[in-house]
Amino acid sequence: DQQVKQNSPSLSVQEGRISILNCDYTNSMFDYFLWYKKYPAEGPTFLISISSIKDKNEDGRFTVFLNKSAKHLSLHIVPSQPGDSAVYFCAASGGANFGNEKLTFGTGTRLTIIP
Amino acid sequence: DAGITQSPRHKVTETGTPVTLRCHQTENHRYMYWYRQDPGHGLRLIHYSYGVKDTDKGEVSDGYSVSRSKTEDFLLTLESATSSQTSVYFCAITEQGSSPLHFGNGTRLTVT
Repeated sequence: DQQVKQNSPSLSVQEGRISILNCDYTNSMFDYFLWYKKYPAEGPTFLISISSIKDKNEDGRFTVFLNKSAKHLSLHIVPSQPGDSAVYFCAASGGANFGNEKLTFGTGTRLTIIP
Repeated sequence: DAGITQSPRHKVTETGTPVTLRCHQTENHRYMYWYRQDPGHGLRLIHYSYGVKDTDKGEVSDGYSVSRSKTEDFLLTLESATSSQTSVYFCAITEQGSSPLHFGNGTRLTVT
């Protein structure tokens, strides 16, 4: 039972345009969400997080939006750059005070930025 | 890579043989984790450690054991490797149990 779903296995976006990666979750107890980025032959790296007390968190070109009623979050990358080509994992847990042992990952979306 | 080294980076082994993967950190972080990454499953937690000699099971712990005799080293052992354990294994560390994870570069294990 996949509690965190990334329904788009892949996404291609023109350089300079906006990339939108989506993530849905089913567990209503989840209230802390993270995005990780992974390049080939490397480990994932933390990108950005959001807790359920907010509906938006921004860090440079990266913004995460959380819609609690829809159990949906999205990562926006503006403008998209070739170095953004990677696999993006969404992850969720029962709260910022809960340990990583409770973290559930999605299956990932491969983003390709077309020059 | 936050001072995390995984070894070996690649390994091919036969069914039924024991295999040990090593994770070494230079950050003196308390928490260490072993994950496996498989297509269609994302990252799944195998075992984790919250201190020297303190370990616990994750979501997919069957067939795996771990040991942590020093802060810097966390070993993952496949007691008798099976083809279903062919995967990419990632070690991760954090200073606090709820902080974002810092991952190593992975070990690709193939069981034939």
